[in-house]
Amino acid sequence: EIVMTQSPATLSVSPGESATLSCRASQSLSNNLAWYQQRPGQTPRLLIYGASTRASGIPARFSGSGSGTEFTLTISSLQSEDFAVYYCQQYNNWPPGTFGQGTKVEIK
Amino acid sequence: QVQLVQSGAEVKKPGASVKVSCKVSGDTLTELSIHWVRQAPGEGLEWMGGFDHEAGEAVYTQKLEGRVTMTADTSTDIAYMALSSLTSDDTAVYYCATSAPFMYYFDYWGQGTQVTVSS
Repeated sequence: EIVMTQSPATLSVSPGESATLSCRASQSLSNNLAWYQQRPGQTPRLLIYGASTRASGIPARFSGSGSGTEFTLTISSLQSEDFAVYYCQQYNNWPPGTFGQGTKVEIK
Repeated sequence: QVQLVQSGAEVKKPGASVKVSCKVSGDTLTELSIHWVRQAPGEGLEWMGGFDHEAGEAVYTQKLEGRVTMTADTSTDIAYMALSSLTSDDTAVYYCATSAPFMYYFDYWGQGTQVTVSS
C-alpha cells in the first residue's frame, strides 16, 4: 500500500503571503494526485486533480505541481478563508484511495 | 450540479450496526461512483471503500473488510454504507463522495453523518 507523507504538519502564514505544502508518495504516482481543502467544521472540497488541474470554481491562487513521488500545493496571497487543513490523496494505485495526514495552514 | 444529502446522526452501542444513506441529485448513480470516507475526531481522512468500475463491484479497505458493506439503489439514486460490530474506534463523521467512473478522486461530498459509538 502506498504511504502518503505531508509536510509540514502545521504551517504558520500571514495573510497575503504565500504557502507551499508538500506531499510525498512512497511509490511513483505519475500525476494521479489530488488535493483537498477542509475548513474547520466543514466538508472536504476538491481543489486539484491530476496533480495540477484546478477543480471547477477553484481560484487561480491555488496551484499544484509535481509528478512521480513529489508534489506541491502552492497558495499565493493567502486570504482569510484559506486557513484550513489540506490533504493530498493518491489514486494511481487504487484501491485504496490513500490520503496524507494533512497540513494545517494557520494564521501567523 | 451534483448534490449529496446524507442521513442524520446516529448513536449506537458497541457491537451494534449502523446504516448511513446518501441521496444523489443532479446526476444518477449509474453515471457516478460513490465512495465513503470517514474522519475520527481530530483526525485525518480515511477512505473506507467505493465502487470500482473495472471490477464492477464495491471494494473496501482491508482494515474494514468483513464489517462494511456498500450498496446502491439506482432506482432511487440512494447509496448506503453499513458497518457492523461497532466499537468506539468507529466513532467518526462519515462522508459519501462521488468520483467519475475510473477516476478515483472525489469531486462532490455529502455533508457528513456523525456516528457515535458509546455504551
